[in-house]
Amino acid sequence: QQQVKQSPQSLIVQKGGISIINCAYENTAFDYFPWYQQFPGKGPALLIAIRPDVSEKKEGRFTISFNKSAKQFSLHIMDSQPGDSATYFCAASIGSARQLTFGSGTQLTVLP
Amino acid sequence: GAVVSQHPSRVICKSGTSVKIECRSLDFQATTMFWYRQFPKQSLMLMATSNEGSKATYEQGVEKDKFLINHASLTLSTLTVTSAHPEDSSFYICSAGTVLNTEAFFGQGTRLTVV
Repeated sequence: QQQVKQSPQSLIVQKGGISIINCAYENTAFDYFPWYQQFPGKGPALLIAIRPDVSEKKEGRFTISFNKSAKQFSLHIMDSQPGDSATYFCAASIGSARQLTFGSGTQLTVLP
Repeated sequence: GAVVSQHPSRVICKSGTSVKIECRSLDFQATTMFWYRQFPKQSLMLMATSNEGSKATYEQGVEKDKFLINHASLTLSTLTVTSAHPEDSSFYICSAGTVLNTEAFFGQGTRLTVV
């Protein structure tokens, strides 16, 4: 499978801080970049997604920054809360296939 | 968002037996469904893609005779793990999509334990 590289593997942030997770991809045919949140024992839930024709998308406390030339995108969680503690996955897909290539995941812990 | 229901959420079976996992799209017609496998603290790995009414497409390294996928209707896909072994123990997750929406909607996952 084509790779999507995600970092860091784990992240600890204080309540109210900013959590930043980064992903890089290789295949320039990717044109849909979602972020998923997964709690233990549950399926992933879509947080926010972006297409390469925009450089940033914000929904509430979650922002995706996208750098097409660098083939990188990142998730920023503002005002991080303990309830945000979960595993976050970036992903990418081509066209409307919805066949996702996932990053390796980031375990986020937000300390109270 | 659309709802995808996966059943059962947990199953324990004995080695050598088969177990079936169902994935249903409750409020939309899923033209395509995907099955993923996730080991503890690891990412989701795509196992196969199924389109309604046709044979599933399996990813390299996934045994199609062991992991039988059926997508007989636009709202139901099933994954049957045949002759299960302890190494098949994992978290299996389905997702479903429609022709109108790029987003993939995920089920809640099935924890399979083979003893």
